[in-house]
Amino acid sequence: QKEVEQNSGPLSVPEGAIASLNCTYSDRGSQSFFWYRQYSGKSPELIMFIYSNGDKEDGRFTAQLNKASQYVSLLIRDSQPSDSATYLCAVRGTGRRALTFGSGTRLQVQP
Amino acid sequence: DGGITQSPKYLFRKEGQNVTLSCEQNLNHDAMYWYRQDPGQGLRLIYYSQIVNDFQKGDIAEGYSVSREKKESFPLTVTSAQKNPTAFYLCASSFRGRANTDTQYFGPGTRLTVL
Repeated sequence: QKEVEQNSGPLSVPEGAIASLNCTYSDRGSQSFFWYRQYSGKSPELIMFIYSNGDKEDGRFTAQLNKASQYVSLLIRDSQPSDSATYLCAVRGTGRRALTFGSGTRLQVQP
Repeated sequence: DGGITQSPKYLFRKEGQNVTLSCEQNLNHDAMYWYRQDPGQGLRLIYYSQIVNDFQKGDIAEGYSVSREKKESFPLTVTSAQKNPTAFYLCASSFRGRANTDTQYFGPGTRLTVL
């Protein structure tokens, strides 16, 4: 079982729709959770992080965390073609400073 | 400009050669990390350093070496012992604050190809 799992996609949504990206993790003691966006050939850019159960909103992005279910998600409202990228979920596990990454979900926003 | 720089952007290596990838940051971050990314995959941790003159192996350290002589610099050497070095190498850094909010930021990456 992978430590951090994401559906590889592609997830295709029409422009203006809500994109929902999901991530599950195996280490129940994980402390914090990060979403990065990576355009093809580029390095990851931080979108947001979350460490408490519930929702955290930043502009068009909402991160949701459910530690009991070991599940974290990212919602992108009013999706734009410029949001087309691979979204990486990263988890900071028990006693570890470095992050463990999922393999990413490729999002395609259709104009 | 503040940020993380990596050089070179592209690097070609012949089999049997050692090569060194540069990573420099002027963000006054304490911790620095090296990750490797293969096509269609997530990032895997090679080495990390939380303070000067100290570093720890990550999940895939075999065939790699690092040094941390200055806070700003964390070079990675890919040795001839690394059998499949062709990959995208990413350096990251973070301010060593509270663990649950310690956020990593990435440099632009170096793409290494073995000829």
